Order: sequence, then structure tokens, then C-alpha cells
Amino acid sequence: DAKTTQPNSMESNEEEPVHLPCNHSTISGTDYIHWYRQLPSQGPEYVIHGLTSNVNNRMASLAIAEDRKSSTLILHRATLRDAAVYYCILRDPTGNQFYFGTGTSLTVIP
Amino acid sequence: DGGITQSPKYLFRKEGQNVTLSCEQNLNHDAMYWYRQDPGQGLRLIYYSQIVNDFQKGDIAEGYSVSREKKESFPLTVTSAQKNPTAFYLCASSRRFGGNSYNEQFFGPGTRLTVL
Repeated sequence: DAKTTQPNSMESNEEEPVHLPCNHSTISGTDYIHWYRQLPSQGPEYVIHGLTSNVNNRMASLAIAEDRKSSTLILHRATLRDAAVYYCILRDPTGNQFYFGTGTSLTVIP
Repeated sequence: DGGITQSPKYLFRKEGQNVTLSCEQNLNHDAMYWYRQDPGQGLRLIYYSQIVNDFQKGDIAEGYSVSREKKESFPLTVTSAQKNPTAFYLCASSRRFGGNSYNEQFFGPGTRLTVL
């Protein structure tokens, strides 16, 4: 069963912010929320992760709802290099098995 | 430069043959993983290893085998028992399996296997 739900695809204009949503209504209290992205014909790469508080790094920001049942990955200024499939993943800290869904395919329009 | 290497990048195999995919990491990571990806789909876990000489089945282990004789190496054999082996195979590693906080998985570039 899918642990996270994401839209299949989204579009953004270059240099505009992008908000990628993820629903995880069955999240447990100890699950971490991870985001990875995958460029065509490459392995996924880490973007950001969080538990309860919002997080920022050089790539993106992660906004986590107060009830933790949803989260949003924010790319502040989309570039053409950000065109990829973005995966929202839950991880139980007792293990390190990542369950990848089908992700959101982001298209960036010049 | 630390990282994960997979070879070969493209692999062709005749039906009924076993084939071994290589995965090497020099990140000194304890845990390693193998995933399979089909077109337009997410990744599915085949096998994982928490430590040398130990490995566990993932969600789709049937038709595959692995070994973990060295910390840096985790080869995957696709056997003739795997009914539909054509796919993109990704190897990953992480510092450890489990534990709190930051435990990023680092992925290799992948091997695209085609069965003729």
C-alpha cells in the first residue's frame, strides 16, 4: 500500500517558486519525511528531510503540516536543471527501507 | 572522490542466462541496497545488507541473489528464474541501517539490463 500520495505531474515557469505537495495521512510519530529527486536515466539524489519542524537547505525548503499528515517541498526559484521526478518518502527510524511511490514529474518551462 | 560505481552502464543478456551486476562504494558505508525501476515507476527494493556477511530480502527478491563478502561491494545476480528482468537497476548505500536523523541513501548511476 502507498504510504505517500503525490500528483503525477506539475509544471512551473523558470525562476518562479514551485510547491510540490505530498499527503501521508498514515504517518506514525517516528517516521521521517524525506524528499529525493531523480533526473532522467540517473540515480535519485537526496533533497531534504524532516521530522516535525520546517527545514531549509541550499536546495529547497520543507514545510510540514502541524498534524504531519502532509508536507510541501518548496523550490524557491525553479531552474531548468530542477526538471526531475520528485519522490516524497517516509522512513521508520528503526530501519532504512525507503518506499518510493511514482513521484511527481516536474516540468520547468523556459 | 567518494561515491558509488555501478558497472556496466548497459547490459544485454540472452534469455535463460544468469548475469551479475557490480556495485562498489568507497564511502565506508555499512548498509547497501539494490532497487529495480521499471519505466514510469518508482523504485522497488530487491535486497539490502546492513553489514558484511548479512543481507535480507526486500519486496521483490524472487529471481535475484546477492552476496556481501566485503564492506565496499554488493553484487547482484539476476538469475534465469527472474521472469521479467529487463529494467533499470540501482544500487545505494547509507552510513548505517536505522537510527535517528540523517541517514541519506547515496545512489549509483544505475545499470540498464535488457534481456534479448
